[in-house]
Amino acid sequence: KAGVTQTPRYLIKTRGQQVTLSCSPISGHRSVSWYQQTPGQGLQFLFEYFSETQRNKGNFPGRFSGRQFSNSRSEMNVSTLELGDSALYLCASSLGSTSGRAQYFGPGTRLLVL
Amino acid sequence: QQQVKQSPQSLIVQKGGISIINCAYENTAFDYFPWYQQFPGKGPALLIAIRPDVSEKKEGRFTISFNKSAKQFSLHIMDSQPGDSATYFCAASRTGTASKLTFGTGTRLQVTL
Repeated sequence: KAGVTQTPRYLIKTRGQQVTLSCSPISGHRSVSWYQQTPGQGLQFLFEYFSETQRNKGNFPGRFSGRQFSNSRSEMNVSTLELGDSALYLCASSLGSTSGRAQYFGPGTRLLVL
Repeated sequence: QQQVKQSPQSLIVQKGGISIINCAYENTAFDYFPWYQQFPGKGPALLIAIRPDVSEKKEGRFTISFNKSAKQFSLHIMDSQPGDSATYFCAASRTGTASKLTFGTGTRLQVTL
């Protein structure tokens, strides 16, 4: 099976702009979770989508949003970018069930905000 | 509040030696504990995971030891190889918010020749 794919791999934006990141999960996986990775804060959970519904949410401001499509592909949007949003954004997919909790990460999208 | 504490921050091990990374958690509701390996420029890769009803799980050279009463778990890498040089993260989650992994701060492992 193909792994989790993320596009684009690199992005440079300026403060105040918005950005949309895309994630395609492993075939058959219905859950997609998003994480932010920074040197200072480490890996932090943003939110999870399952069957097109947000099922869990982390402690990030409303500028961070997401959605999931019927084919389980997911997008994450960050509006009004701030310098502190520079990070590696990772998505992970899983079966999303009690017995299928293993999460598999994509390569990430590295976002630089200038 | 950091709920998963990981140590050491960095570790240097000789080839063939045993690498040991430790994690401690606070939330007794956690019931799933995976370990991830991350190489520079890559996403974390799932290595091995354990649930609290098992005290040890082994997959190849990787072993997780779990101590429920102490709320601690550790990763042992036997016969460490230079190719194991990477950053390792422990994580935890609980039923109900199963996809919300809480990660440790990471351990940078260097295996020398």
